[in-house]
Amino acid sequence: QKEVEQDPGPLSVPEGAIVSLNCTYSNSAFQYFMWYRQYSRKGPELLMYTYSSGNKEDGRFTAQVDKSSKYISLFIRDSQPSDSATYLCAMRKGGSNYKLTFGKGTLLTVNP
Amino acid sequence: KAGVTQTPRYLIKTRGQQVTLSCSPISGHRSVSWYQQTPGQGLQFLFEYFSETQRNKGNFPGRFSGRQFSNSRSEMNVSTLELGDSALYLCASSGWDRGSLEQFFGPGTRLTVL
Repeated sequence: QKEVEQDPGPLSVPEGAIVSLNCTYSNSAFQYFMWYRQYSRKGPELLMYTYSSGNKEDGRFTAQVDKSSKYISLFIRDSQPSDSATYLCAMRKGGSNYKLTFGKGTLLTVNP
Repeated sequence: KAGVTQTPRYLIKTRGQQVTLSCSPISGHRSVSWYQQTPGQGLQFLFEYFSETQRNKGNFPGRFSGRQFSNSRSEMNVSTLELGDSALYLCASSGWDRGSLEQFFGPGTRLTVL
């Protein structure tokens, strides 16, 4: 079983839709959770960074962490065609271990 | 603040050759990590350097090595290239900002092994 599971999609939605992206993980040592967005032929771009269980909002993006269920989500409100990209969840343990463990990524297309 | 830079952006090599990739982190960041991204395996951690010392290592063969210089710039070397080494190699620069460790990626070096 992989440490981090993420549905690869692809996911196709109309402009303005609410998008829900999810990851599950098996290692309870993970303490920090991130979402990255990666456009084609570019490096991943950090979108959201969370530590504790609960919600964190930044503009149209909301990250949700449920450590008891080992489940994290990213919600995108009022999705735009410019949101079309691959979304990667990532997580790391605490301390001096900076290693990120990634999900495989979900390919999202927002249609105008 | 300038972002993470990686050179070269594209490389084509043949099997058996070796290659060196370079990464310049964000100014002030002392940690540099390297990742391999392939369609089949996704992003996989290679190693991390902090203050010129390798601090963490992933599950890659010894053909993959790296180093970090006193100015935090890092290089990654792959010897005896194999076809399966074709991938996007990404460098991540890590630094603390307002109590959070943030890790920023460069654009990557796309390596093709023929």
